[in-house]
Amino acid sequence: DTAVSQTPKYLVTQMGNDKSIKCEQNLGHDTMYWYKQDSKKFLKIMFSYNNKELIINETVPNRFSPKSPDKAHLNLHINSLELGDSAVYFCASSQEKGYGYTFGSGTRLTVV
Amino acid sequence: GENVEQHPSTLSVQEGDSAVIKCTYSDSASNYFPWYKQELGKRPQLIIDIRSNVGEKKDQRIAVTLNKTAKHFSLHITETQPEDSAVYFCAARGGGGADGLTFGKGTHLIIQP
Repeated sequence: DTAVSQTPKYLVTQMGNDKSIKCEQNLGHDTMYWYKQDSKKFLKIMFSYNNKELIINETVPNRFSPKSPDKAHLNLHINSLELGDSAVYFCASSQEKGYGYTFGSGTRLTVV
Repeated sequence: GENVEQHPSTLSVQEGDSAVIKCTYSDSASNYFPWYKQELGKRPQLIIDIRSNVGEKKDQRIAVTLNKTAKHFSLHITETQPEDSAVYFCAARGGGGADGLTFGKGTHLIIQP
């Protein structure tokens, strides 16, 4: 049983397209996150949801919109994709805010 | 918000030797300091963590030390093995946890045979 699962694992798309990444956790955790890992491996938080409510919204372009239909799911929708959006996007979850993250396997997004 | 600095960015050690990675943090209210290991193409995985009311924690060949006064913490790996080769990230949870975890920029650990 995969604790935190993301789909798709790879995503190659053209500039200007709109795409979504899905994340689901079966750990019963209350908090979920999206992190972006750039080509230099730096992990930067984008969003955090606690029980379906947004609690962190870092400075990311408003082309990125998270959606949490329930506390087990946190999806990321990206509009008008740009070359600079190419990165690995990791979903994570934790029982309490900021403690003991479990990461998903990542989605490698390539914008061409 | 929290700021975490990690050094070195690359560390090469002989198999069997020890490796030490150091991190500093800025928020004196930070209370939780995990370390993650990320192998090539894989997800970051938690290997050890420490809370601010403890100065040291060990788990087999891995240990973490915390100096709250100086606001720094370190990862120690003894008797290194080839499978220890990976990128290691330190992180800190700012006061209240509202900002989630702030990560250091990572250390690429290379174990030389």
